[in-house]
Amino acid sequence: DSGVTQTPKHLITATGQRVTLRCSPRSGDLSVYWYQQSLDQGLQFLIQYYNGEERAKGNILERFSAQQFPDLHSELNLSSLELGDSALYFCASSVGGSQGEKLFFGSGTQLSVL
Amino acid sequence: QKEVEQDPGPLSVPEGAIVSLNCTYSNSAFQYFMWYRQYSRKGPELLMYTYSSGNKEDGRFTAQVDKSSKYISLFIRDSQPSDSATYLCAINFGNEKLTFGTGTRLTIIP
Repeated sequence: DSGVTQTPKHLITATGQRVTLRCSPRSGDLSVYWYQQSLDQGLQFLIQYYNGEERAKGNILERFSAQQFPDLHSELNLSSLELGDSALYFCASSVGGSQGEKLFFGSGTQLSVL
Repeated sequence: QKEVEQDPGPLSVPEGAIVSLNCTYSNSAFQYFMWYRQYSRKGPELLMYTYSSGNKEDGRFTAQVDKSSKYISLFIRDSQPSDSATYLCAINFGNEKLTFGTGTRLTIIP
């Protein structure tokens, strides 16, 4: 068990809908990262937050947004969902926010858009 | 060209064999190298972490880095059925982003 908690484990929704994925980092970790994993693209970095502030941005669509709250948990909001958004979404956490950090991953949220 | 290239496999070997998993990269910026193991429907789990050329050993696992060739490898000795998983190389090129290879699916046949 990595200590990173993600909810829900599975999410089934329809196109055009909006969903929220939740992540609680390991105790003491200040950074949260969101990754998307699909069969054809592998693990793609979406966004990183460090102690409540956005630290780095990757290939995140404008329809997606995230935030990190004062208690350090994070939420990833996906709106106007399309079929192609179906994927595994992982949250990871690390102690700090600098380069070379070791990332610890949660078990993921499997999103199915029908 | 992708920053990190990894042979997707799949790779099947008999139990007890030595497994070699490889990645190449193109960015010359300072790097941190990691190997993650991912079981089906689970999150990636950190196996090895290094930032220098040469070998780093941890039990049956050895991570090898050749910076001159931009080539990294993970060797698994005395492979076990429990080693069956997808193995992902990951490289941090001196920024906050960790870039992953696409993963190699490994099956150890009892």
